[in-house]
Amino acid sequence: DAGVIQSPRHEVTEMGQEVTLRCKPISGHNSLFWYRQTMMRGLELLIYFNNNVPIDDSGMPEDRFSAKMPNASFSTLKIQPSEPRDSAVYFCASSDDRWGYTFGSGTRLTVV
Amino acid sequence: SQQGEEDPQALSIQEGENATMNCSYKTSINNLQWYRQNSGRGLVHLILIRSNEREKHSGRLRVTLDTSKKSSSLLITASRAADTASYFCATGGYGNNRLAFGKGNQVVVIP
Repeated sequence: DAGVIQSPRHEVTEMGQEVTLRCKPISGHNSLFWYRQTMMRGLELLIYFNNNVPIDDSGMPEDRFSAKMPNASFSTLKIQPSEPRDSAVYFCASSDDRWGYTFGSGTRLTVV
Repeated sequence: SQQGEEDPQALSIQEGENATMNCSYKTSINNLQWYRQNSGRGLVHLILIRSNEREKHSGRLRVTLDTSKKSSSLLITASRAADTASYFCATGGYGNNRLAFGKGNQVVVIP
């Protein structure tokens, strides 16, 4: 397995633009997590899916953030409109609920 | 929700020495996990210890868990330059598999 695949690796966008981050979890994993990492706040859980269903989105900072998981092999995190304070590294991770998480390499988002 | 908190925050050691870092948490847990993050990369799962276990080994890693003190330690023996990374502890609760991560320990191993 190629692991958790995230795209793009880097994204630079202007304030107000829509940003879509993508994630392909490991085949067979039934849980998927979106995290945001910043120096100030560390790793924050944004949203968590189990069997493609959103279970907990309490970490989503604002209505500007939305996430979907249309099937077991794909998830998106969308920010619309983006703001400079959204600049961070966004990680997707998947799990089979038995062992630890497998993280993707992350998307470094810069909003200017 | 649980929040792992590592201590100390930064550690600089010579290659070959042992590195020890600690983690504390606040509520009951089902398991505690340690992850490593190399600069610019995602987190890599190192080891998981369940609440009914007290010690676990994996290669040069040794993890202890004291549920009465709500704390864990990660020991890396005979450190190598490649061990330079940030190390995070994360706690998982009963009835869910969400992990809460601490802020991380930065470890620098000097060749």
